[in-house]
Amino acid sequence: QQQVKQSPQSLIVQKGGISIINCAYENTAFDYFPWYQQFPGKGPALLIAIRPDVSEKKEGRFTISFNKSAKQFSLHIMDSQPGDSATYFCAAPSNTGKLIFGQGTTLQVKP
Amino acid sequence: GAGVSQSPSNKVTEKGKDVELRCDPISGHTALYWYRQSLGQGLEFLIYFQGNSAPDKSGLPSDRFSAERTGGSVSTLTIQRTQQEDSAVYLCASSLGGGASGNNEQFFGPGTRLTVL
Repeated sequence: QQQVKQSPQSLIVQKGGISIINCAYENTAFDYFPWYQQFPGKGPALLIAIRPDVSEKKEGRFTISFNKSAKQFSLHIMDSQPGDSATYFCAAPSNTGKLIFGQGTTLQVKP
Repeated sequence: GAGVSQSPSNKVTEKGKDVELRCDPISGHTALYWYRQSLGQGLEFLIYFQGNSAPDKSGLPSDRFSAERTGGSVSTLTIQRTQQEDSAVYLCASSLGGGASGNNEQFFGPGTRLTVL
């Protein structure tokens, strides 16, 4: 069964710092790699997504870096804020097209 | 409302009882997913409905779990003879179409927190 490996499991960053979360995936014929953000008591919500025809996508303080040859992608949160404290999930498409989610990273940004 | 809704928001039941969890997807979305999120864990895929196709049940953990989607809209996840290890948050998501692509963003509901005593 296909897996997506996400690390670290938890992360503590000072306000203004850079948060980095990494994911590794297995072979897939599809090309859509999203990151979801989940606040306590809420369902996950799409944060940012990338197609691997580009190596990087930036939206505000959030950037996805994609390394297709290594089958790895990462989320960078620049100038991290306490409001960014949440659980982050990466996802990769399975060979049947449905999304396989990573185990999640709990981010705490200290003021 | 415009989002995915789920009911109940919380459910406490006794071991051995059956439970039904409901999901109302976004109107017009043809794809519907159920996931399970245990404490501190990731999103475990359970089942996927896409239009009139046979559902992908590959993630259901046992034959105690089943799901239906009536009229291509509302879905019910049923857990029979609940066990304590079934305690988790059950999340439903819907998307415009099936398959992983930028056109098929999954929108999640708030989840149902199930506690089996």
